[in-house]
Amino acid sequence: KAGVTQTPRYLIKTRGQQVTLSCSPISGHRSVSWYQQTPGQGLQFLFEYFSETQRNKGNFPGRFSGRQFSNSRSEMNVSTLELGDSALYLCASSLLGRGSSGANVLTFGAGSRLTVL
Amino acid sequence: ELKVEQNPLFLSMQEGKNYTIYCNYSTTSDRLYWYRQDPGKSLESLFVLLSNGAVKQEGRLMASLDTKARLSTLHITAAVHDLSATYFCAGEDYRDDKIIFGKGTRLHILP
Repeated sequence: KAGVTQTPRYLIKTRGQQVTLSCSPISGHRSVSWYQQTPGQGLQFLFEYFSETQRNKGNFPGRFSGRQFSNSRSEMNVSTLELGDSALYLCASSLLGRGSSGANVLTFGAGSRLTVL
Repeated sequence: ELKVEQNPLFLSMQEGKNYTIYCNYSTTSDRLYWYRQDPGKSLESLFVLLSNGAVKQEGRLMASLDTKARLSTLHITAAVHDLSATYFCAGEDYRDDKIIFGKGTRLHILP
């Protein structure tokens, strides 16, 4: 079955612009999480959506936002880009939502590499 | 908030040697995950550890969980070059409902 698909894979923006990244989860997965990966900070949790609701948010400024659609596809938006936003943005989907008793294994997409100039 | 610390962050080792990566976490987290990331690729799930004393093995990799010590280990036996990758551990923070990752251990195995 198809994996987690992220688009675009690569993009270059300039400071002050905004960007929208898209994520299509594995069919049947209702939970979508977003992470920012940088060499210095590793993977940092951005937010998680389940059934179109944001269930949690990491410690990022309000410039980072997201949403989930009824088909579980998710988008994240970063406004007023800063140089420090350059990173690999990873989306991950899972079958189970938070608080479930089973394993909550994340399946990651290939990522969207954002470069801010 | 749950904090996950891995050590070492970088490890260069010879083929055929054994080594262990350590993952400490700060608060109660009875679920611990290990992922692998190859250069330029995304993360892939390796192991899921759901209870104290859990041990999982696949090939030359073995993961274990000690919830009382808040410690998980990933042991590499007789390393081979194909195991060169970055390994991440991650715990679930039940209070904040997040999965928190360690910074990763970059493993380089010399032929």
